[in-house]
Amino acid sequence: NAGVMQNPRHLVRRRGQEARLRCSPMKGHSHVYWYRQLPEEGLKFMVYLQKENIIDESGMPKERFSAEFPKEGPSILRIQQVVRGDSAAYFCASSPRGRETQYFGPGTRLLVL
Amino acid sequence: AQKVTQAQTEISVVEKEDVTLDCVYETRDTTYYLFWYKQPPSGELVFLIRRNSFDEQNEISGRYSWNFQKSTSSFNFTITASQVVDSAVYFCALIIAGANSKLTFGKGITLSVRP
Repeated sequence: NAGVMQNPRHLVRRRGQEARLRCSPMKGHSHVYWYRQLPEEGLKFMVYLQKENIIDESGMPKERFSAEFPKEGPSILRIQQVVRGDSAAYFCASSPRGRETQYFGPGTRLLVL
Repeated sequence: AQKVTQAQTEISVVEKEDVTLDCVYETRDTTYYLFWYKQPPSGELVFLIRRNSFDEQNEISGRYSWNFQKSTSSFNFTITASQVVDSAVYFCALIIAGANSKLTFGKGITLSVRP
């Protein structure tokens, strides 16, 4: 019974490059959430998706960040033209329905040089 | 807007001591869900417990227990006879029924258990 999978676990990018973070939810879960953990800031909600739909993106920066959860395949969090301030741990969580317990993946640690 | 406050930032205890981690929440909603997560040094987030606002029963799971008090808007977590493996950052979090399922986290409490 695999848990939430995230890859890569560690990602190094130079300023200006693109970062793609992938998340495969637990089996049977169709709700996916992305959170960011910045040093000194704690865990912050970014976006909530169901298959092919963005439900709530109120926590997403307005520029450079996008997320999708296609009908087939993992959810993708995409950061274009990364800057040093994007360095953080990005966690994906999934749940079977809204307002249910969210189970987290191991996170992707992004380092921008 | 909802808010979760974990006033303690760091706690250090000696093994076998009991320790309580405090959590105070704010919301105007009458229906909400409270959670505790553990983040060990390896970095993953581990779900510990979920509590619904209409269920004030306290819960015990082995050495862990949770005290939910709506009157004081608190959801405290006690570890009895702490062990070194309990060393981690512990997060309290809240989902309100009126919002789109997003977790609002406290800033976390770093617990260090010394042998």
